[in-house]
Amino acid sequence: DVKVTQSSRYLVKRTGEKVFLECVQDMDHENMFWYRQDPGLGLRLIYFSYDVKMKEKGDIPEGYSVSREKKERFSLILESASTNQTSMYLCASSLSLRGLYEQYFGPGTRLTVT
Amino acid sequence: RKEVEQDPGPFNVPEGATVAFNCTYSNSASQSFFWYRQDCRKEPKLLMSVYSSGNEDGRFTAQLNRASQYISLLIRDSKLSDSATYLCVVNRGGTASKLTFGTGTRLQVTL
Repeated sequence: DVKVTQSSRYLVKRTGEKVFLECVQDMDHENMFWYRQDPGLGLRLIYFSYDVKMKEKGDIPEGYSVSREKKERFSLILESASTNQTSMYLCASSLSLRGLYEQYFGPGTRLTVT
Repeated sequence: RKEVEQDPGPFNVPEGATVAFNCTYSNSASQSFFWYRQDCRKEPKLLMSVYSSGNEDGRFTAQLNRASQYISLLIRDSKLSDSATYLCVVNRGGTASKLTFGTGTRLQVTL
């Protein structure tokens, strides 16, 4: 079974703090993704990585950065947290084989910025 | 127009009923299609992939109509445990690994 883990289930941070969200997958997947999920808006892609040290902006990258130094680990960084970044953050991974695009998700981190 | 559109529901059905969800997508280059299930306050989990010929997994049947760009999910003999939000998902064209998720259709199965 694919296992994707995230460092925290719940996190409360103050406005202006730097926030690190960590994601680890154990299935040697090339692709890793960070999404945020908000009521009525569904899952929105923040950043995507298709290899170590490679990254690509998603649909809503503003206010976020990412780091992928090892294949199994993908970090999302909020440089200066703001209240509009309060959300559920979901990490996912997938293979790069043609036709196999299904993504496997971690349990999510519910971040509250006060 | 949204890339993936679903009726948000909720669909309230009695146990044992058959229920169907539809979804439309706008990118004609999409090649991979999925249904995910998401329980309240949990992560999305893959329910099934959707193939051109249609496919079945137990009580669940998925169909794809490329000409009309819609995907359907049929659930027969609904169980209480089927209560969840069902997300329609397509890849972003060609061999793209990135997926676009619909906002989901909520199903509530009642006694």
